Amino acid sequence: GAGVSQSPSNKVTEKGKDVELRCDPISGHTALYWYRQSLGQGLEFLIYFQGNSAPDKSGLPSDRFSAERTGGSVSTLTIQRTQQEDSAVYLCASSLDSSGNTIYFGEGSWLTVV
Amino acid sequence: EDQVTQSPEALRLQEGESSSLNCSYTVSGLRGLFWYRQDPGKGPEFLFTLYSAGEEKEKERLKATLTKKESFLHITAPKPEDSATYLCAVQGGGSTLGRLYFGRGTQLTVWP
Repeated sequence: GAGVSQSPSNKVTEKGKDVELRCDPISGHTALYWYRQSLGQGLEFLIYFQGNSAPDKSGLPSDRFSAERTGGSVSTLTIQRTQQEDSAVYLCASSLDSSGNTIYFGEGSWLTVV
Repeated sequence: EDQVTQSPEALRLQEGESSSLNCSYTVSGLRGLFWYRQDPGKGPEFLFTLYSAGEEKEKERLKATLTKKESFLHITAPKPEDSATYLCAVQGGGSTLGRLYFGRGTQLTVWP
């Protein structure tokens, strides 16, 4: 596609439910990033995939969060047993690689936990 | 530890009043310094990448510069449509290779 595509764009879920957020990176981009942006806060790193290397998961806030990237393309961020503090915008980004190439962001998935 | 600090947090300018936004950073092995613009409810929109001290890039009313410790985003004769949050981020080459560290942003408001 022309840009990074994320779905759903908006998600309201009940506390304790699991949610899956999807990211389609730009075709040919080997690096894929997930960030979280809470209201009025900066962008918080969650996880980073580069090609077939083991992902950098060091930003995931708890073991309720996980992410996978299938076939080096589409990625899914899963949040289990959602809590109200998980409410935020989840942003996905991609780049050709991690050597300083431009990193392009999607429009984000707005998650509200009620 | 890699860090990015942006100032000011908020800036109000009258249309046509030029100013600069600051991004101070510490990073191990800079691979790139990025400037983004973010409008409410939208994802960050890429503006510039700078790679080495002394580098400058321009786009319309915006000009980004880089030194070894900081970057400036100069806005010349801004218009109301330049109102947005401007984000600075760095990508290092050390143990955190690939990770992009963001500042908190500068919220710019340009009034007519």
